[in-house]
Amino acid sequence: RKEVEQDPGPFNVPEGATVAFNCTYSNSASQSFFWYRQDCRKEPKLLMSVYSSGNEDGRFTAQLNRASQYISLLIRDSKLSDSATYLCVVSSGRDKFYFGSGTKLNVKP
Amino acid sequence: GAGVSQSPSNKVTEKGKDVELRCDPISGHTALYWYRQRLGQGLEFLIYFQGNSAPDKSGLPSDRFSAERTGESVSTLTIQRTQQEDSAVYLCASSRGNRGNEQFFGPGTRLTVL
Repeated sequence: RKEVEQDPGPFNVPEGATVAFNCTYSNSASQSFFWYRQDCRKEPKLLMSVYSSGNEDGRFTAQLNRASQYISLLIRDSKLSDSATYLCVVSSGRDKFYFGSGTKLNVKP
Repeated sequence: GAGVSQSPSNKVTEKGKDVELRCDPISGHTALYWYRQRLGQGLEFLIYFQGNSAPDKSGLPSDRFSAERTGESVSTLTIQRTQQEDSAVYLCASSRGNRGNEQFFGPGTRLTVL
């Protein structure tokens, strides 16, 4: 079983839509959680950390459900520039990071 | 400040040749990671350095792959006797090394083995 699993998509949504991605992780002892964004042929860049209480950054909301071992990312009012692959990242706390394969988002005009 | 840098940005080599890839982490970052990303695929962990501890080499795919890091500075990833399946982007990342600190990635080296 993979450490981190994501739906690869693609998610094709119109501008202005709200879209949500989930990611499940297998290690219940995982300590840290992140969402990264990767544009085509570019390196991954941190989008946001995910805190136990959930957190919001503008149009982006991340939530953690420890009981069910998943994290989510909600994007409101999608922009064309949000088109990218979104990577779920989980750390066991020993600085070993596990990356999901990513969920591809296409925002259409 | 300066981010993670990698060199070369692109490398084309012939099958059977050795290649060396370089990563300069962010100053003060004690943790350094190497990943491989094949076209259209996710990130594949290769190796992890943390300070002066023994590196975690559990992701290296074969004994043709090795990596070194001097202290908390530059790291090199060496691939010996390259094969066509080694063609990929090799990404380096660094972090402060404290639990929960995010990784910062370099732009990667795109390796093509002919």
